[in-house]
Amino acid sequence: AQTVTQSQPEMSVQEAETVTLSCTYDTSESDYYLFWYKQPPSRQMILVIRQEAYKQQNATENRFSVNFQKAAKSFSLKISDSQLGDAAMYFCAYRSPPLQGGSEKLVFGKGTKLTVNP
Amino acid sequence: DTAVSQTPKYLVTQMGNDKSIKCEQNLGHDTMYWYKQDSKKFLKIMFSYNNKELIINETVPNRFSPKSPDKAHLNLHINSLELGDSAVYFCASSPPSARGAWVYEQYFGPGTRLTVT
Repeated sequence: AQTVTQSQPEMSVQEAETVTLSCTYDTSESDYYLFWYKQPPSRQMILVIRQEAYKQQNATENRFSVNFQKAAKSFSLKISDSQLGDAAMYFCAYRSPPLQGGSEKLVFGKGTKLTVNP
Repeated sequence: DTAVSQTPKYLVTQMGNDKSIKCEQNLGHDTMYWYKQDSKKFLKIMFSYNNKELIINETVPNRFSPKSPDKAHLNLHINSLELGDSAVYFCASSPPSARGAWVYEQYFGPGTRLTVT
């Protein structure tokens, strides 16, 4: 079974600085998808960024980027120019390749609580 | 416009009661899910349905019974509630995926905080 590990239960960053959240995963599959979700105090789960494993290029979304190292099974999230609104729980998630006519679950890490200090 | 909605958002009840949580999505997706987030914030899949058909059942106690009357709705009924059922329950939906197609994200509802006393 696939597992996702986030080794940093909590992180903090100064406003306008850069922070990197770590994620490693374990799988025997060669094709899969990886996601970072953000959960602010409102509880809503918000997709931050996604990466297809077959793509070598790291995904970027504005101030958010990933460092995807397939051989090392590592998928870290970098937040640049941190803002107070970035404070939240961040979850790394793994999704198996699509099955014909089926549905695919997300396997989540335990999350990293990010605090942004003004 | 709310994409994935859940009712109620908060539910407080006593041990032994039976309760339901409703979920509706207006995105036209074929697949819906229930996830449980425990007190330590750990999220885990419980069920998924594709076009009203149960696809995933992650060894959830049979006190939990999902029901999908149509592909826009996936309700969760819980019998004989226990203290350990206290958690936040998230509904999610996604379009069907297929090899070669874009991977689709799962869209989450706002969650239902269930407290069993």
